[in-house]
Amino acid sequence: DQQVKQNSPSLSVQEGRISILNCDYTNSMFDYFLWYKKYPAEGPTFLISISSIKDKNEDGRFTVFLNKSAKHLSLHIVPSQPGDSAVYFCAASSSGATNKLIFGTGTLLAVQP
Amino acid sequence: EAGVVQSPRYKIIEKKQPVAFWCNPISGHNTLYWYRQNLGQGPELLIRYENEEAVDDSQLPKDRFSAERLKGVDSTLKIQPAELGDSAVYLCASSLARLAFFGQGTRLTVV
Repeated sequence: DQQVKQNSPSLSVQEGRISILNCDYTNSMFDYFLWYKKYPAEGPTFLISISSIKDKNEDGRFTVFLNKSAKHLSLHIVPSQPGDSAVYFCAASSSGATNKLIFGTGTLLAVQP
Repeated sequence: EAGVVQSPRYKIIEKKQPVAFWCNPISGHNTLYWYRQNLGQGPELLIRYENEEAVDDSQLPKDRFSAERLKGVDSTLKIQPAELGDSAVYLCASSLARLAFFGQGTRLTVV
């Protein structure tokens, strides 16, 4: 049972435009969500997070939106840059299992110059 | 601050051979994870430690996999014997709160 789903395996965007990566979850107990970015041959690096008490968190070009009723979150990157090309993973955890992270399958973002 | 350190970066072994991976977490991080990532998939948790105690090892194939975390710091993950299906990237991560930091991973190829 895939509790965290990223239904788009890949996304291609022009440089300077907005990239929107989506993530859905099924476990209503999840209350903390994270996005990680992964380059080839490297480990995932933390990008941005959001607690379920918020519906938006912004950090520079990166904004995460959370829609709890729809069990959906999205990552917006504006403007997209070629260096943003990587695999993006959505992850979630619940306060009941505080340090257990469940990951989605990832979305490969390609930003075209 | 030093990040999570893993070794080796790459390992190629023949099936039925043993293999071990080592992880040094970020200093002060009580929680240590071992994840496995197959091609095209997200990381899947194998085992999670809180200090020296393995608090979640439900996804660890215990017939061939073992792990230990000595003195609540470094950790070793072992596979014996390895099977072709064990080819994957093995990721170690550590956290103090709810944010996990990952090492670069070990890419294992079983031939």
